[in-house]
Amino acid sequence: GAGVSQSPSNKVTEKGKDVELRCDPISGHTALYWYRQSLGQGLEFLIYFQGNSAPDKSGLPSDRFSAERTGGSVSTLTIQRTQQEDSAVYLCASSPSSTGGPSYEQYFGPGTRLTVT
Amino acid sequence: GNSVTQMEGPVTLSEEAFLTINCTYTATGYPSLFWYVQYPGEGLQLLLKATKADDKGSNKGFEATYRKETTSFHLEKGSVQVSDSAVYFCALRISGGYNKLIFGAGTRLAVHP
Repeated sequence: GAGVSQSPSNKVTEKGKDVELRCDPISGHTALYWYRQSLGQGLEFLIYFQGNSAPDKSGLPSDRFSAERTGGSVSTLTIQRTQQEDSAVYLCASSPSSTGGPSYEQYFGPGTRLTVT
Repeated sequence: GNSVTQMEGPVTLSEEAFLTINCTYTATGYPSLFWYVQYPGEGLQLLLKATKADDKGSNKGFEATYRKETTSFHLEKGSVQVSDSAVYFCALRISGGYNKLIFGAGTRLAVHP
């Protein structure tokens, strides 16, 4: 079946502009995660969704970052007034559930490479 | 807090050499432990996992044993191939913490013929 998809695959934007990154999880997966992979910070958690709600936003680096999920499916990560330090690969992952045992694997998308100039 | 420390790379080996990538962790509670791999130009994929102490995860010739006494989860392979060249990430997941993953910094492995 189809895996996690993300769009765009690459995004170049000017400093100060807003960007939207999209994630389509695997059908039926209720849990969705955003991570960021950057040179200085490694791979870090940003936000977690269970259905349409986000009980854990602890990884969002500033209030310029926000995310939403609609219909328990597609999620959008929005970065307002982008800065050069936002340049990174943004990864999305989905999982059948976030509870119910330790064995639920997270399936990762290919990522969106964001470059802020 | 919860964190993962893995050896810095790059690690450069000749084909058929023995591989060890060290990983240690700090965690509250009882984590599950994972190794993920990122091949050039590809997304992150799960390589192996272990969910409790003394479990051994294995896949594609790679192994790692969950050592609670040393808080370690070292990745090993007896004979590496050029196709194993990739970046390897050690990660932990705390049960009850919404299952978010906490990753190490990653170790780049380059295998030469």
